[in-house]
Amino acid sequence: KAGVTQTPRYLIKTRGQQVTLSCSPISGHRSVSWYQQTPGQGLQFLFEYFSETQRNKGNFPGRFSGRQFSNSRSEMNVSTLELGDSALYLCASSISGGSTDTQYFGPGTRLTVL
Amino acid sequence: GNSVTQMEGPVTLSEEAFLTINCTYTATGYPSLFWYVQYPGEGLQLLLKATKADDKGSNKGFEATYRKETTSFHLEKGSVQVSDSAVYFCALRSLGGNDYKLSFGAGTTVTVRA
Repeated sequence: KAGVTQTPRYLIKTRGQQVTLSCSPISGHRSVSWYQQTPGQGLQFLFEYFSETQRNKGNFPGRFSGRQFSNSRSEMNVSTLELGDSALYLCASSISGGSTDTQYFGPGTRLTVL
Repeated sequence: GNSVTQMEGPVTLSEEAFLTINCTYTATGYPSLFWYVQYPGEGLQLLLKATKADDKGSNKGFEATYRKETTSFHLEKGSVQVSDSAVYFCALRSLGGNDYKLSFGAGTTVTVRA
């Protein structure tokens, strides 16, 4: 079974631009979560989607948004990029998102904002 | 809210040494507990998990026991190898409510010398 895939793996953008990251979950998984990882803040939760609905959202500004499609694939978008948005963005999928479900992570997208 | 506190690193060990990484948590409800490992340049991989009190998770020689009375989930391995060098994250996910996110500790960097 293929794992979680994320594209692109690396991105370089400049301040003020916007970016879209993509995540394809494991086949059969309907829950997709996004996390931001930085050396200073560690791993922080962005949002979680299940059946095309956002169920939970972390404490990030409105510049961070996401969506999920009917095939469970998910995208996240960051508008008006800031230097502080440079991070590794990780996507994780699970079967239903229940508390005992295991979240399986993709390799991440490394975003650098110049 | 939920929070995880894990042992500060970095930790440097010799091959075949005993490894322990302390993890304690604060949570509402009855959380599931996880240890994830991150190798350089990669995403997170699930190492082990426990979903109820007194459960022991184990994988690849690593073990952790869910201790409700001490709110702890310490990771141990009896004989580490150079290939165990990585960053280890303790995480929890609450049962019940609408909080589907994983809450992570800060991570502990482990380096094993030959």
